[in-house]
Amino acid sequence: DVKVTQSSRYLVKRTGEKVFLECVQDMDHENMFWYRQDPGLGLRLIYFSYDVKMKEKGDIPEGYSVSREKKERFSLILESASTNQTSMYLCASSPGGNNQPQHFGDGTRLSIL
Amino acid sequence: QKEVEQNSGPLSVPEGAIASLNCTYSDRGSQSFFWYRQYSGKSPELIMFIYSNGDKEDGRFTAQLNKASQYVSLLIRDSQPSDSATYLCAVNRGGYSTLTFGKGTMLLVSP
Repeated sequence: DVKVTQSSRYLVKRTGEKVFLECVQDMDHENMFWYRQDPGLGLRLIYFSYDVKMKEKGDIPEGYSVSREKKERFSLILESASTNQTSMYLCASSPGGNNQPQHFGDGTRLSIL
Repeated sequence: QKEVEQNSGPLSVPEGAIASLNCTYSDRGSQSFFWYRQYSGKSPELIMFIYSNGDKEDGRFTAQLNKASQYVSLLIRDSQPSDSATYLCAVNRGGYSTLTFGKGTMLLVSP
């Protein structure tokens, strides 16, 4: 089975902090994704990566950056956390190419105070 | 903006009934379609995917695709209370297996 592991289930940070969310997958998948999920807004794509060191912006990249130094690891960075970034963050991965299913980690519920 | 539309529900069905969940999408060029189940407080879990017009069955689940009508559905036969969850429809949006998700339909199965 595909295993996508997010480093924290719950995280509380303060406004202005730099926040790192980590995601690791064990299936040698080429594609990795970061989403946030908010009530009434659904899942929204922040960034994705299709190879090591390669990244593309999703629908809501403002205030975020990403890093993919190794194939199995994809990090989401909140450069200067703000209260409107309080959300559930979900990491997913899929095999390379198009039309492949994505598999999700357990999510990180992030609160910015 | 490519869109995926779902009725938010809740859709209430009695135990043992067939639950029918529907999804429409705006991009006529879409090629792959996915159904995810999400329990409250949990992450989405892949249930099924379908690429071709027609039906695809897996156990109690059947996915139906009609590309001409831009319509995809999920049928759950013999619904169980444990099927109570939010069901997300997702459609490919471009390269690298990126997806556009609908906002989900909440299903409630009563004993």
